[in-house]
Amino acid sequence: DSGVTQTPKHLITATGQRVTLRCSPRSGDLSVYWYQQSLDQGLQFLIQYYNGEERAKGNILERFSAQQFPDLHSELNLSSLELGDSALYFCASSETHGGGTEAFFGQGTRLTVV
Amino acid sequence: AQSVTQLGSHVSVSEGALVLLRCNYSSSVPPYLFWYVQYPNQGLQLLLKYTTGATLVKGINGFEAEFKKSETSFHLTKPSAHMSDAAEYFCAVSDPGAGSYQLTFGKGTKLSVIP
Repeated sequence: DSGVTQTPKHLITATGQRVTLRCSPRSGDLSVYWYQQSLDQGLQFLIQYYNGEERAKGNILERFSAQQFPDLHSELNLSSLELGDSALYFCASSETHGGGTEAFFGQGTRLTVV
Repeated sequence: AQSVTQLGSHVSVSEGALVLLRCNYSSSVPPYLFWYVQYPNQGLQLLLKYTTGATLVKGINGFEAEFKKSETSFHLTKPSAHMSDAAEYFCAVSDPGAGSYQLTFGKGTKLSVIP
């Protein structure tokens, strides 16, 4: 158990809908990262928050947004869903934002868009 | 921009045989390097990482990797494969100057261990 909790574990929704994925980082970790894992794109970095502020942005679509709350949990919002958004979404957390500190990954939320 | 190439999407070894998973990277600056393992329906677990210092890095479960700057490689090895090593392995890099744990991953190598 990495200490990072993601809910829900599975989500099935229809095209055009909006969903929210939730991540609770390890106790004491200030940084939260979101990754998308799909068969065709592999593992891709989406976005990072550090202590409530957006820190880095990767290949995140405009239809997607995220935020980190004062209690440090984070939510990833996906809207106007398309079939191609079906993927495993991982959250990771680390103590700081430094490039060499270890990030711990949650078990992911599997999103299926039908 | 950084990129990671993992040679071989699928590698099969016999139990007790050497495991060698290859990783080459492209980066304009010496990166931080990582190997992660993913078991079915699980998240990613860090096996080992290289940031600075000794180029031979030992990780968990008997794995090790060597950073070779001249070859831009960070291959993962284990002297003797065990059935429990069957999983998917990902090599990743990050830019030390980016101030972020933004990882660029390779496509992954699925390791099968034959009894």
